[in-house]
Amino acid sequence: SQQGEEDPQALSIQEGENATMNCSYKTSINNLQWYRQNSGRGLVHLILIRSNEREKHSGRLRVTLDTSKKSSSLLITASRAADTASYFCATAGYSTLTFGKGTMLLVSP
Amino acid sequence: DAGVIQSPRHEVTEMGQEVTLRCKPISGHDYLFWYRQTMMRGLELLIYFNNNVPIDDSGMPEDRFSAKMPNASFSTLKIQPSEPRDSAVYFCASTIDRGETQYFGPGTRLLVL
Repeated sequence: SQQGEEDPQALSIQEGENATMNCSYKTSINNLQWYRQNSGRGLVHLILIRSNEREKHSGRLRVTLDTSKKSSSLLITASRAADTASYFCATAGYSTLTFGKGTMLLVSP
Repeated sequence: DAGVIQSPRHEVTEMGQEVTLRCKPISGHDYLFWYRQTMMRGLELLIYFNNNVPIDDSGMPEDRFSAKMPNASFSTLKIQPSEPRDSAVYFCASTIDRGETQYFGPGTRLLVL
């Protein structure tokens, strides 16, 4: 399975701190994506990094991809209470995405 | 565009009843996916369509589950008969190209009593 697995399962930080989440997977991928899910809502796409890319930025988000280690990390800088959500990595095969179980992030004011 | 639209948002039914979930993908998206999310199993892909044709239904748990896409703007997921273990949040997502960013609907929260 190329399912991504996030680490840690839960993360609790204070506003202003940085949050780092990791994702590991098992097989080769075309790209890796990160999604956010607020409680009771659908998933929202955050960022996509292709297999030939090593790092990507979007606003306060920074994603890295190490295909040799089959791992990725999502860094949220200067976190805000509104960043409280579950974050999922998804590995892209030929047509479908396979999602991990997610990291629950709690940002306290 | 209004995004992916799902209905109903909440469904409470009794065991044995038929349940029909509906999805309208984003216009122009050729791929449509149905997922189920539970605490125990996370987000599972049930089935996906390309240009209204079912491509892979290997994730459909049992014959009680069926999905159709009669046209590019409408899909249904049907459970007949429903069982308590079907209780979950069901998401529909669409994308313009395979393996690319998926856009999720708000989900249907199903409770089977």
